[in-house]
Amino acid sequence: GQNIDQPTEMTATEGAIVQINCTYQTSGFNGLFWYQQHAGEAPTFLSYNVLDGLEEKGRFSSFLSRSKGYSYLLLKELQMKDSASYLCAVLHYGNNRLAFGKGNQVVVIP
Amino acid sequence: DTAVSQTPKYLVTQMGNDKSIKCEQNLGHDTMYWYKQDSKKFLKIMFSYNNKELIINETVPNRFSPKSPDKAHLNLHINSLELGDSAVYFCASSQDGRQGYSPLHFGNGTRLTVT
Repeated sequence: GQNIDQPTEMTATEGAIVQINCTYQTSGFNGLFWYQQHAGEAPTFLSYNVLDGLEEKGRFSSFLSRSKGYSYLLLKELQMKDSASYLCAVLHYGNNRLAFGKGNQVVVIP
Repeated sequence: DTAVSQTPKYLVTQMGNDKSIKCEQNLGHDTMYWYKQDSKKFLKIMFSYNNKELIINETVPNRFSPKSPDKAHLNLHINSLELGDSAVYFCASSQDGRQGYSPLHFGNGTRLTVT
């Protein structure tokens, strides 16, 4: 099985940097995804990590440490439109099931 | 527009009724999914089809029956609706779900309310 843990909510100021953590336990790791979900909308793909290290994509970066079962999503130069829930999802190697965490709600204030 | 589209967007119905949600993708993807997102925002997989073949069938009640007439369509039929079925149902697709690492493209969701 898979256990995925994310903090539930955080507030940050426009222009700031916020780090969203995700820890997981799984018997067969085959990659970790981050998705963004605005209220009332569909989740949209942000990043995929399968090897250790940092992947940078514009204002968003995602980090993975497989030995620690840990990932974070870094949001830089926060904008109001970044107010959303950020979901981490772990892909299981054997059954190709993608298990989602409960998501972390980020609220950006002026 | 290339997308995953599902209908209806909202569905309000009474307990005991039977309802269907339709999903279509024009992305040329091989794999389609149904996910359920409950009131606590937990997104859980229900079913997955690859090229019309069922590849994931999570532990969901038999009242839920998916149907994939072709690889671009995946519909969800729900019999004898119960209050606990109230949730947002998302359809999604990916290039090839058997590979696993293809990102999911989600539809806009169907908000089902059972009264």
